[in-house]
Parts: sequence; C-alpha cells; structure tokens
Amino acid sequence: KQEVTQIPAALSVPEGENLVLNCSFTDSAIYNLQWFRQDPGKGLTSLLLIQSSQREQTSGRLNASLDKSSGRSTLYIAASQPGDSATYLCASGGGNKLTFGTGTQLKVEL
Amino acid sequence: DADVTQTPRNRITKTGKRIMLECSQTKGHDRMYWYRQDPGLGLRLIYYSFDVKDINKGEISDGYSVSRQAQAKFSLSLESAIPNQTALYFCATSDFAAVGPGELFFGEGSRLTVL
Repeated sequence: KQEVTQIPAALSVPEGENLVLNCSFTDSAIYNLQWFRQDPGKGLTSLLLIQSSQREQTSGRLNASLDKSSGRSTLYIAASQPGDSATYLCASGGGNKLTFGTGTQLKVEL
Repeated sequence: DADVTQTPRNRITKTGKRIMLECSQTKGHDRMYWYRQDPGLGLRLIYYSFDVKDINKGEISDGYSVSRQAQAKFSLSLESAIPNQTALYFCATSDFAAVGPGELFFGEGSRLTVL
C-alpha cells in the first residue's frame, strides 16, 4: 500500500526566503506526482503535475522535482510572499487513484 | 462561477439521518471522485466514476453510496449517518488520462457534522 509522507507538518519563514517542501512515497511505481495548495476553508488547487518520465516542472515561482528511484519529490518556492501562506499537499498517482500526504502548513511572515 | 460546485457547503445532522451531498461540474470531464478529509489523515478516496455507467469503490466506501446522474453530476449519500462520518467532503474531477490519474480539480468542499 502506497504511503505518502510530508515533513515538516508546519513551517514558518520570513517573507522573501526561498524554501523547499518535501514529499516522500514508499512505492516508486507511480504514473505521476501532483502538488496542490489548500487555503483555509477552501478546496484544493492544483499547482504542478509531474509525469513519471519527467524530472521537474515549473510554474512561475514554483518548481517541483521528482526522483522516483528514491521516492522523493520537492516543491521549491522562490522569494516567498505572505500570499503563499497555505497548506501544501502532494499526492502520488498510481493506478487510477491518488494517494495524498497530510500536507505541510506554510506561514510566510512579513 | 466555480467549475466544480458542491452543495450544501455546510450541514449539521443527527445520527441515523440520510444525507446527500451533490456535485456538479462544468469542466466537461468524464472522471469524478468523492474524497473525505480528516485532520491528520489526509484525503481518502470514497468512490470514483469514469463515466455515467461506471462506479468504483475507493478505500473507504463502507457506509456511503453514490449516483452518477449525468456526466456533470455525481452525488454522495450517507444512508444512515454516524458521528465518525463527520468530516470535510470534496468532489473532484479529472479529464481522461492515457495512463494513471489525470490532474484533479476540486470543489470547495462540504463540511458535514453528525451529532
């Protein structure tokens, strides 16, 4: 059974800092890895999807990497802003379903 | 308007009552999903449907049933609600993907409290 872990569970950084969020998964036989953002009381918003054949994907200040052999993905956020404060979830895509981690709650302080 | 709409957004009910959560989408996607989110447990898949005639159980389907009334509509029912079904419920959609799950698009969630 696939298990997805995100460490740390919470992170607080000053504005402007570059930061890395970590995601690990136990079964490397995945089709893709997805990163989502969740704001309080809201649904999940898709940020990036990395296919298993890809090493990374970029969107604006966000860069996600995937290393299937080690069972790891990272989400890099450049020049963090208070508006980046949210919970970030990763999910591994195997078969027809996603397995979600429990998220990293990020707070970017002024 | 949101691409994936869930109703109701909040519901408080009593043990034993029948509850239906509804989801409609304007994205034109064939695939629809129901998840529940609990603190510390992440999101878990309840049911999913790849077209109107296709219904599949997820990892926690006991106590739930679903109906795919049309390509755009997917409802989740709790026949006899119990307190441990108190959770935040999400509907999601995805387009067809040749392999694996496609990119998911979520509704805003339905918060259900069972007393």
